[in-house]
Amino acid sequence: EVQLVESGGGLVQPGGSLRLSCAASGFTFSGNWMSWVRQAPGKGLEWVANIKQDGSEKYYVDSVKGRFTISRDNAKNSLYLQVNSLRAEDTAVYYCVREDYYDGCFDYWGRGTLVTVSS
Amino acid sequence: QAGLTQSPSVSKGLRQTATLTCTGNSNNVGNQGAAWLQQHQGHPPKLLSYRNNNRPSGISERFSASRSGNTASLTITGLQPEDEADYFCSAWDSSLSAWVFGGGTKLTVL
Repeated sequence: EVQLVESGGGLVQPGGSLRLSCAASGFTFSGNWMSWVRQAPGKGLEWVANIKQDGSEKYYVDSVKGRFTISRDNAKNSLYLQVNSLRAEDTAVYYCVREDYYDGCFDYWGRGTLVTVSS
Repeated sequence: QAGLTQSPSVSKGLRQTATLTCTGNSNNVGNQGAAWLQQHQGHPPKLLSYRNNNRPSGISERFSASRSGNTASLTITGLQPEDEADYFCSAWDSSLSAWVFGGGTKLTVL
């Protein structure tokens, strides 16, 4: 059974930083692109970033470029998102999501970790 | 980055049929098609269909998807109370090198 378990969220002041983690199990982690997708309270889904199987390619939504960094450790079956210079508008549930590259979809989602940016 | 366009809300009666639409452009929906996700309040999204009309195992045949040009559609037949949820479409945008989502459609089953 595929499982994605996020951690690392919390309350942080504007300008602060967090490191989000995602522990993956139940599949060959090194075989999939992985993404972070966020959802602000009461709002829709917003893709944040993704990373290729070997970490050689990374893509970001414009609003987080230069502030967020996605990474992975295939030996630990883990995905990370370093979030810096946080703003109020970054407040959201952050989901770790497995991509199916060939079928063009997000096929498995974690339960998410809440990041709240507030003073 | 521009997203996909969905109607904010749709209301239909029990056992009726609802059709939700998702409009993009030739770089996303028109290129590789769209996937559909269902999200119940307080839960993460769940994949309903991909590559326009392929369903993961366990997804009811009452859910079917299609695409015409730059518009993808999700049809839900025989609406049930448990179908009341938010529905999102997604697609990879080859021009933006980014995933894009629709704003979501809130489906109410009367």
